[in-house]
Amino acid sequence: DVKVTQSSRYLVKRTGEKVFLECVQDMDHENMFWYRQDPGLGLRLIYFSYDVKMKEKGDIPEGYSVSREKKERFSLILESASTNQTSMYLCASSPGSNSNTEAFFGQGTRLTVV
Amino acid sequence: GQSLEQPSEVTAVEGAIVQINCTYQTSGFYGLSWYQQHDGGAPTFLSYNALDGLEETGRFSSFLSRSDSYGYLLLQELQMKDSASYFCAPTGNTGKLIFGQGTTLQVKP
Repeated sequence: DVKVTQSSRYLVKRTGEKVFLECVQDMDHENMFWYRQDPGLGLRLIYFSYDVKMKEKGDIPEGYSVSREKKERFSLILESASTNQTSMYLCASSPGSNSNTEAFFGQGTRLTVV
Repeated sequence: GQSLEQPSEVTAVEGAIVQINCTYQTSGFYGLSWYQQHDGGAPTFLSYNALDGLEETGRFSSFLSRSDSYGYLLLQELQMKDSASYFCAPTGNTGKLIFGQGTTLQVKP
């Protein structure tokens, strides 16, 4: 079974804290993604990585950074958490081929910033 | 730039057919995917169109017209378990996957 694993299902952090959300995939996929999902807003892309140490900003990168030091791991970093970053965060991965773009998602991390 | 439009809500009865439309503007467009997400669950892949035309997978079909920047998902013989959110997601030539706001489908008995 293919798997994308996010390190936490639920997380509560304080305003101003530095927060790390970890994601690991076991499918040797080239592409990895971080999205946030809020009611009525769908899934919004924060960052995308197409190779180790390569990244591309998504639609809402402000307040976030990412790290991809190894192919299987993609970390999302909230440099200084704020209450408007309270959300569901979803990690996904997909092959690097344009003929197979199926993305697999983790179960999500519900982050609450208080 | 990029934009994506699909209806926010659709309601249909069991056994019916429903079509969810999607119009997009994506730089370096390569193909269009569809995903399903049940409440509390993660999105799961349904289909992918890289070429114009219809792709059929069981009760679900997906259509793409690249010249019109338009696609749709067709769900036939609706079942209660099809109640979910459906997202169209254009893929750019870098593999970047963008989702829209999604369409909430409610299937009634």
